[in-house]
Amino acid sequence: KQEVTQIPAALSVPEGENLVLNCSFTDSAIYNLQWFRQDPGKGLTSLLLIQSSQREQTSGRLNASLDKSSGRSTLYIAASQPGDSATYLCAVRFYGGSQGNLIFGKGTKLSVKP
Amino acid sequence: GAGVSQSPRYKVAKRGQDVALRCDPISGHVSLFWYQQALGQGPEFLTYFQNEAQLDKSGLPSDRFFAERPEGSVSTLKIQRTQQEDSAVYLCASSLAPQITSNQPQHFGDGTRLSIL
Repeated sequence: KQEVTQIPAALSVPEGENLVLNCSFTDSAIYNLQWFRQDPGKGLTSLLLIQSSQREQTSGRLNASLDKSSGRSTLYIAASQPGDSATYLCAVRFYGGSQGNLIFGKGTKLSVKP
Repeated sequence: GAGVSQSPRYKVAKRGQDVALRCDPISGHVSLFWYQQALGQGPEFLTYFQNEAQLDKSGLPSDRFFAERPEGSVSTLKIQRTQQEDSAVYLCASSLAPQITSNQPQHFGDGTRLSIL
């Protein structure tokens, strides 16, 4: 079964810290992997999309890496700010999946304390 | 509009009632997805449209769930004879190209929060 797991489920850090969120997936045959941010009561905001042929993507203070062979991705957030507080979701589009739908992890709830 | 728009934002219904949830995708987007997100969980796939064609409905939990996109733009998710376990946030996403060949990202709306009493 194609599954996505995110650890930890929750994380609390002081402002200014660098941090890493982890995502693992069960099948290395993937099209792409996408990281999303979800604020309470809101939909998902796409942060980064990594194609299967890529190793990493960067946007501002965010850097996402992909290691298909080990079934892992990390989202690195540099110099965290209270405004980064949200739930971060990892989603994978697997080969052989239903018409390109994404399989999501349960998310990591991040709290950045001022 | 600039993004995916969903309405209503909140819907409360009594058990047994029918509900209809609307999604306006980004203009010109070919692909449209519906997801269901239970509290504390990640979204789970329900169904996929390429233009007006429903190519995958394998995620619909029962025959009480029905989705349509008759003109290839706006989509409606209908739930008949609602039950308490249907309470969740229903998210719609759209993407520029047909998903089978595409690496385009999916863009999500803010969702409809459905509560069944």
